[in-house]
Amino acid sequence: AQTVTQSQPEMSVQEAETVTLSCTYDTSESNYYLFWYKQPPSRQMILVIRQEAYKQQNATENRFSVNFQKAAKSFSLKISDSQLGDTAMYFCAFDSNAGNNRKLIWGLGTSLAVNP
Amino acid sequence: EPEVTQTPSHQVTQMGQEVILRCVPISNHLYFYWYRQILGQKVEFLVSFYNNEISEKSEIFDDQFSVERPDGSNFTLKIRSTKLEDSAMYFCASSDSPRGNEAFFGQGTRLTVV
Repeated sequence: AQTVTQSQPEMSVQEAETVTLSCTYDTSESNYYLFWYKQPPSRQMILVIRQEAYKQQNATENRFSVNFQKAAKSFSLKISDSQLGDTAMYFCAFDSNAGNNRKLIWGLGTSLAVNP
Repeated sequence: EPEVTQTPSHQVTQMGQEVILRCVPISNHLYFYWYRQILGQKVEFLVSFYNNEISEKSEIFDDQFSVERPDGSNFTLKIRSTKLEDSAMYFCASSDSPRGNEAFFGQGTRLTVV
C-alpha cells in the first residue's frame, strides 16, 4: 500500500530565512505525481508545487522548490525567504498513475510558523 | 480566479440524522472528489466521480454515503444516518484531468455529530 510520511509535526522559522519540510513515501510504482499543498487558517487546500516522478529536474515555483530523490522516495519542500503569509499547515500528497482515477494519499502534515 | 465553494462551512447534527454537504466545483471541471479529515488524522480519500458516476470509492465510503450531481453544477455528499465517528472536515475537490494536474479544493465543511 502507498503511504506518505511527514516526520515533522511542527516547525518554525524566522522571517526571511529558509526552511525545509520533509516528506517520504512508499510505493512500488515507477510513475506517479507528488504534491505539496498548503492549508492556511482559511482551511482551503492550496497547491504549492507539483513534481512528476519521471522528470529528474526538481520543480520550482518562485520561493518554493523541492528536492526529489526518487531512489530514496523522498520529496522535501524548501521555502526560501520565508514570509509571514507562509504560516500554514503543509501537506505532502502522492498521486498514483495506476488506473484512471486520481486518489491522493496524504501525509499527516507539518504545521509551519513563520516568526517576525 | 475560479474556486470550489462548499456549504455550509460548519454543520452540527444529531447522531442518526441525515446530512447533505454541498459543493460547487469549478465550472469546466469534469472530475470531482470528496476527502475527509478527522481531527489529528490524515486526509482520507472518500470517492471520485466522473461522467455522472462513481469512478472509485474507498472502504470508508460505505452504504451510508452517497454522492450526486443533481443539476450539473452542485456536487453533493449525503450521509444517511450519521455516527459520532463521521465528525470530520469534509473537503470537496475538482480537476480538469483524472490525475497529475492540480486538484482545486474547497474550504471544507466541518461536520460535528453529537
